[in-house]
Amino acid sequence: NAGVTQTPKFQVLKTGQSMTLQCAQDMNHNSMYWYRQDPGMGLRLIYYSASEGTTDKGEVPNGYNVSRLNKREFSLRLESAAPSQTSVYFCASSEWAYNEQFFGPGTRLTVL
Amino acid sequence: GENVEQHPSTLSVQEGDSAVIKCTYSDSASNYFPWYKQELGKGPQLIIDIRSNVGEKKDQRIAVTLNKTAKHFSLHITETQPEDSAVYFCALRSANQAGTALIFGKGTTLSVSS
Repeated sequence: NAGVTQTPKFQVLKTGQSMTLQCAQDMNHNSMYWYRQDPGMGLRLIYYSASEGTTDKGEVPNGYNVSRLNKREFSLRLESAAPSQTSVYFCASSEWAYNEQFFGPGTRLTVL
Repeated sequence: GENVEQHPSTLSVQEGDSAVIKCTYSDSASNYFPWYKQELGKGPQLIIDIRSNVGEKKDQRIAVTLNKTAKHFSLHITETQPEDSAVYFCALRSANQAGTALIFGKGTTLSVSS
């Protein structure tokens, strides 16, 4: 089992460009999450999907959209990237919403 | 919303010493307290967790204690080894929060020197 996988690992964007971060899990988990991690900060929740077909905003959702494509995949989209979105993005999944969360390796995004 | 204060932000110990990291919170409805270890270039990994109906939990060299009255919980690592060097995050989940979000502390960088 690969666990939680994320693509790409690194990305550089110019201000105003758009992109989609991909996340997939092979653990048959129902819940999936997107976090961002900034220097000196903990992880902050952007969006989550408690189960297939549902998505909800987290602490810092502005500037992002998500899609729960199916049970395995949960994507994060930046429609018009801004330098403030420079961060490391982590996807996570859990069997159900109140279980242990497993994290992917992260995507390091730089917006110039 | 809920906030988690984590201290210290950096901790340097000699191999074999103990390390203690403490987190404080304000929401008395918090009921789940995990600790994550993040190695350089990797995602966080759960190392131990505790629920609000338990005061202490141990797993080999790692233990977590919870004081619900004082609203703090701590990670204890005994007989530290160089491979324990990493960033450690505390987190919590509150029954008052919509959804199931984890709230994270800002992290402690632990350095174990041999």
